[in-house]
Amino acid sequence: NAGVMQNPRHLVRRRGQEARLRCSPMKGHSHVYWYRQLPEEGLKFMVYLQKENIIDESGMPKERFSAEFPKEGPSILRIQQVVRGDSAAYFCASSPQATRNTEAFFGQGTRLTVV
Amino acid sequence: SQELEQSPQSLIVQEGKNLTINCTSSKTLYGLYWYKQKYGEGLIFLMMLQKGGEEKSHEKITAKLDEKKQQSSLHITASQPSHAGIYLCGAANAGNNRKLIWGLGTSLAVNP
Repeated sequence: NAGVMQNPRHLVRRRGQEARLRCSPMKGHSHVYWYRQLPEEGLKFMVYLQKENIIDESGMPKERFSAEFPKEGPSILRIQQVVRGDSAAYFCASSPQATRNTEAFFGQGTRLTVV
Repeated sequence: SQELEQSPQSLIVQEGKNLTINCTSSKTLYGLYWYKQKYGEGLIFLMMLQKGGEEKSHEKITAKLDEKKQQSSLHITASQPSHAGIYLCGAANAGNNRKLIWGLGTSLAVNP
């Protein structure tokens, strides 16, 4: 059973470009979480999704950021018109649908650098 | 809002020594998770604690959640270079075990 897969591992974008980060959860997991890790700031929750639904996006910046988790395919975190402050490591985690009180499994992260 | 404070921020120990990392919450913890992160990599789950007074062990790592459920400690016995990395504690709030808040981490180096 493959773990949570994120791609790309590293992404370089120029200011103003779009960044698309992908996350394939573990098999059988329908809950996906995105976190951002900024230098010196630690991990911050961004958004929690289930298949085709955004459950909690309280940690998402109001503009330029969006997330989806379609019925088929990976979850996508999309950042439009990137700025240097978006440079960070973005982690995706997944958990099983019907199980409470279990750990979340994390991917290796995507390290976004905006130049 | 709930905050997690980890101490120490960084730690350098000699191989074979014991060490303890603490995670203190500003509010009652409903679930406390310990993860380890190697530089440039993802998070590896270590342990989850939920009940006051609970203690769990895995190999040479033991984690405890105090009775009042506002502090957890992670203890490593006879440290090895393979224990080096960043240890993160994450906490669940009352309503949602999945939306975790995190401490800033404790960076551990183990000198051979």
